[in-house]
Amino acid sequence: DAGITQSPRHKVTETGTPVTLRCHQTENHRYMYWYRQDPGHGLRLIHYSYGVKDTDKGEVSDGYSVSRSKTEDFLLTLESATSSQTSVYFCAIGEGTQYFGPGTRLLVL
Amino acid sequence: QQQVKQSPQSLIVQKGGISIINCAYENTAFDYFPWYQQFPGKGPALLIAIRPDVSEKKEGRFTISFNKSAKQFSLHIMDSQPGDSATYFCAASKGGGSYIPTFGRGTSLIVHP
Repeated sequence: DAGITQSPRHKVTETGTPVTLRCHQTENHRYMYWYRQDPGHGLRLIHYSYGVKDTDKGEVSDGYSVSRSKTEDFLLTLESATSSQTSVYFCAIGEGTQYFGPGTRLLVL
Repeated sequence: QQQVKQSPQSLIVQKGGISIINCAYENTAFDYFPWYQQFPGKGPALLIAIRPDVSEKKEGRFTISFNKSAKQFSLHIMDSQPGDSATYFCAASKGGGSYIPTFGRGTSLIVHP
């Protein structure tokens, strides 16, 4: 398995609170991605990064921000969580082939 | 606009049967077509992939068929087993410095013993 970890693996939070999810890789990949997975929608790209401090928006970026200060870490922040952001979040790395982390299950009450 | 359309959404097959999942794409610039397999509670993992210079690729019981003119590709699982029960995603991407993939919405496969 590609060396990708996500933390936390599970989180319950309340509407309006900030939440930060972390993705850590040991593969030194340039590209990193954040996806959310919801029933009926498959995998939808939130944000991606193509290098340290180089990030860009995906198709569902509203309400999310990201930061990448080191090659190995890619952070996803929900500035003010909403119930619609309840989902399973996956980090991925790679160019062409994607290697996915184990996921973070987030519940916003 | 959905650039990769995947069907069916769900599929039930008997053990030993053939499972077929289809994907159609719109962007002719796509040049890499992977399939991912996802088990419950896990992240997707690459199963098999193809590039448009070949019409078929086989790895064990899994085969990708590619039809460039029709802009379609499909996954065939021969001799389907209960352990193949998972969600399958097709994807498409283009190289040249832009690797952002477009995923299909997934197919939930159940193989009955």
